[in-house]
Amino acid sequence: EIVLTQSPDFQSVTPKEKVSITCRASQNIGNSLHWYQQKPNQSPKLLIKYASQSISGVPSRFSGSGSGTDFTLTINGLEAEDAAAYYCHQSSSLPFTFGGGAKVEIK
Amino acid sequence: QVQLLESGPGLVKPPETLSLNCTVSGGSVSTYNNYWSWVRQPPGKGLEWIGYIHPSGSAHHNPSLKSRVTISVDTSKNNFSLRLSSVTAADTAVYFCARSLRYADGYDGFDVWGLGTSVTVSS
Repeated sequence: EIVLTQSPDFQSVTPKEKVSITCRASQNIGNSLHWYQQKPNQSPKLLIKYASQSISGVPSRFSGSGSGTDFTLTINGLEAEDAAAYYCHQSSSLPFTFGGGAKVEIK
Repeated sequence: QVQLLESGPGLVKPPETLSLNCTVSGGSVSTYNNYWSWVRQPPGKGLEWIGYIHPSGSAHHNPSLKSRVTISVDTSKNNFSLRLSSVTAADTAVYFCARSLRYADGYDGFDVWGLGTSVTVSS
């Protein structure tokens, strides 16, 4: 099973700042890495697929990068509505796995 | 657009079997490149993939759940189902159904999710 490790697991950030969340895979997964946002009491929402591909309807301040074992989700210009937990997910091999999550709080 | 809705009992006694359905609307469960998954989230914790089923009936589940998982599809009802046997308190979670598409490059991310249904395991 591929283990995904996210860091940091929590950060408190001022609006308009840049936020970076990393996801490290225990083995090479190519670009089969996807990012989700989950707000309290809601379902996860797909933000980025295949490491860097944007999703229709997702604000352009969200971007992804990386390949192989190291990936990054970046929020350029944090907004209050971005307070949420963020998860990475790999679909390179079964079983699919998720990272442990990274919570972003607005200062 | 495709929407998913989970249904099932909110309380299950140990060591009974948890049974949930996911109804697909706005699309067909039989669409060939669609894979239908179950994902759960224990209170205050992260996401865990339980397994998926393809319209052909081909299924795969997370080995961490050993052989307790059965996922099936009913094309006549346009839904798919989860059965989790011998439940314990550790199975208490919000259960989501979700869709991913598969192309030559591999499996996409989960682009459609249900609202989730909370299941408590308690006697």
